[in-house]
Amino acid sequence: EDQVTQSPEALRLQEGESSSLNCSYTVSGLRGLFWYRQDPGKGPEFLFTLYSAGEEKEKERLKATLTKKESFLHITAPKPEDSATYLCAVQGVGTNAGKSTFGDGTTLTVKP
Amino acid sequence: NAGVTQTPKFRILKIGQSMTLQCTQDMNHNYMYWYRQDPGMGLKLIYYSVGAGITDKGEVPNGYNVSRSTTEDFPLRLELAAPSQTSVYFCASIKSRDRGDTQYFGPGTRLTVL
Repeated sequence: EDQVTQSPEALRLQEGESSSLNCSYTVSGLRGLFWYRQDPGKGPEFLFTLYSAGEEKEKERLKATLTKKESFLHITAPKPEDSATYLCAVQGVGTNAGKSTFGDGTTLTVKP
Repeated sequence: NAGVTQTPKFRILKIGQSMTLQCTQDMNHNYMYWYRQDPGMGLKLIYYSVGAGITDKGEVPNGYNVSRSTTEDFPLRLELAAPSQTSVYFCASIKSRDRGDTQYFGPGTRLTVL
């Protein structure tokens, strides 16, 4: 059974204070690891897909990296508008129909 | 494209009542999903569909039913609502299950059962 654990549950940063969010996973063969951003009262919004260990993706102040056991979402010089819940999900090769297993998320608050 | 749309946005039900949550996508996606999200938690898969006429159970299917008569629509039916079904429900879709296909989510339906 695929499992995803995200840490920390909540993270408070000052504007400009860089940090990282962690996503640890167990899966019998990784088809893809996804990062989503979720604002309060809204559906998850896609950020990145990572396929294999060593891969990195960047978008503005966010950078996602992947190893065989975990993924990190690095936030560089965050701004208050980066405040949101960040969700990690995996799809295993043993999973049919594109089903994803989600972690519980990390709620990021960036104070001005 | 409107993407994935859901109705209603909010609903309050009494215990034992029934209702249907609507989900429509206009991207011609084959795969559709229903998730529930409880406060502070991730998404749990309720049901999914790989195409019109084909549905299957996810992780937490009890108390729910689905149908998929068209590619566009994937309604979720709650029979005999219970307080444990108070949650936010999200519908999602992808084009295929090719490598790393992104899930597109609707805005959600917030359901309260009293």
